[in-house]
Amino acid sequence: EPEVTQTPSHQVTQMGQEVILRCVPISNHLYFYWYRQILGQKVEFLVSFYNNEISEKSEIFDDQFSVERPDGSNFTLKIRSTKLEDSAMYFCAIRGGGLGSYTFGSGTRLTVV
Amino acid sequence: KNEVEQSPQNLTAQEGEFITINCSYSVGISALHWLQQHPGGGIVSLFMLSSGKKKHGRLIATINIQEKHSSLHITASHPRDSAVYICAVFRPGGATNKLIFGTGTLLAVQP
Repeated sequence: EPEVTQTPSHQVTQMGQEVILRCVPISNHLYFYWYRQILGQKVEFLVSFYNNEISEKSEIFDDQFSVERPDGSNFTLKIRSTKLEDSAMYFCAIRGGGLGSYTFGSGTRLTVV
Repeated sequence: KNEVEQSPQNLTAQEGEFITINCSYSVGISALHWLQQHPGGGIVSLFMLSSGKKKHGRLIATINIQEKHSSLHITASHPRDSAVYICAVFRPGGATNKLIFGTGTLLAVQP
């Protein structure tokens, strides 16, 4: 059983629609991250989440994006009004304290049409 | 200029060959990850290292902090090693420890 489960694995959505990507870590961790990878490009940092609040976000993470842990276990990324350029693979990652190693989820492939 | 550079970008090898993938970075780091990404897209952490050398099976990772360089070696390569190998670094400072990624090296091992 994977340590980090992401759902859905693939989502196709109409431009302008809202999407919610979900991440469920099996065990408790301190740090949660969202990264994305546009097809053919390198992985980019979106946002980090610690102690139930955003600790850092990139310039990509604008007002259309939000994250939360609604029930203390799920970790979600919401895109309010999707654009074509939001099409990418989105990865959730978790990390323990200190320089703990990262564990990545299997990713959600988002396609905006 | 990318903060993390990898070479080569593409690598084709014959089964059994010794493979080296290089990573150079231009920023101060606290640690470096080597990651593997398979065609399905999932990312798996292979190594995290901040000094010296680590070995796991046929994989060996080394890092030289003074030269800002790391290498990933695969001994006795096999077609199942075919994947994208990614170098990513932790920047020091703050609690976030986000990763900064290289562009990856696409490895194809032919039988």
